[in-house]
Amino acid sequence: KNQVEQSPQSLIILEGKNCTLQCNYTVSPFSNLRWYKQDTGRGPVSLTIMTFSENTKSNGRYTATLDADTKQSSLHITASQLSDSASYICVVRARKGQGAQKLVFGQGTRLTINP
Amino acid sequence: DTEVTQTPKHLVMGMTNKKSLKCEQHMGHRAMYWYKQKAKKPPELMFVYSYEKLSINESVPSRFSPECPNSSLLNLHLHALQPEDSALYLCASSQVSTRAVYGYTFGSGTRLTVV
Repeated sequence: KNQVEQSPQSLIILEGKNCTLQCNYTVSPFSNLRWYKQDTGRGPVSLTIMTFSENTKSNGRYTATLDADTKQSSLHITASQLSDSASYICVVRARKGQGAQKLVFGQGTRLTINP
Repeated sequence: DTEVTQTPKHLVMGMTNKKSLKCEQHMGHRAMYWYKQKAKKPPELMFVYSYEKLSINESVPSRFSPECPNSSLLNLHLHALQPEDSALYLCASSQVSTRAVYGYTFGSGTRLTVV
């Protein structure tokens, strides 16, 4: 069964600190993995998208890693800011040929940045 | 234009009302999606349209009726909803392609409350 597991479920850190969120998946065959940031009551916003051949991708203070062998990904946030408080969702697409993209969502990590 | 626009942002409706949610994109995406998201849960896929044709219906009750009048517009018609249908309804769009690098863009959502 295709699944995406994220940890921790929630995390609280102080402003300015770094943190790392984890994602393990069993989606097969793998196509790509995406990290989204979702503010409460808003739609998810894409942070990174990584394919099988990519190990690391950065977007400002966000750095995602992918290990396709162990089927693990991480999202590292550097020098956190209050505006980073949100849910971070790991999403994996299975490679199923031509057609609309059907995605498998993780449950998300709720990150809270305290001043 | 790189956005998916959803209207209205908030909607309160009675159980006997008929209302519609609207979604629009001008990125040339030929796949469009409706998701339902309850609080602290990941989005759940409801419907997928590919080239303006319904390709996936995830066993959604008939009180939800999707419509794709053209390649830029997606509607969700609501009738005789139940209080448990209260949720954030998200629209998304993407390319229809086997290439992994294509993104998947979400709208900001419609917060629906059924009273």
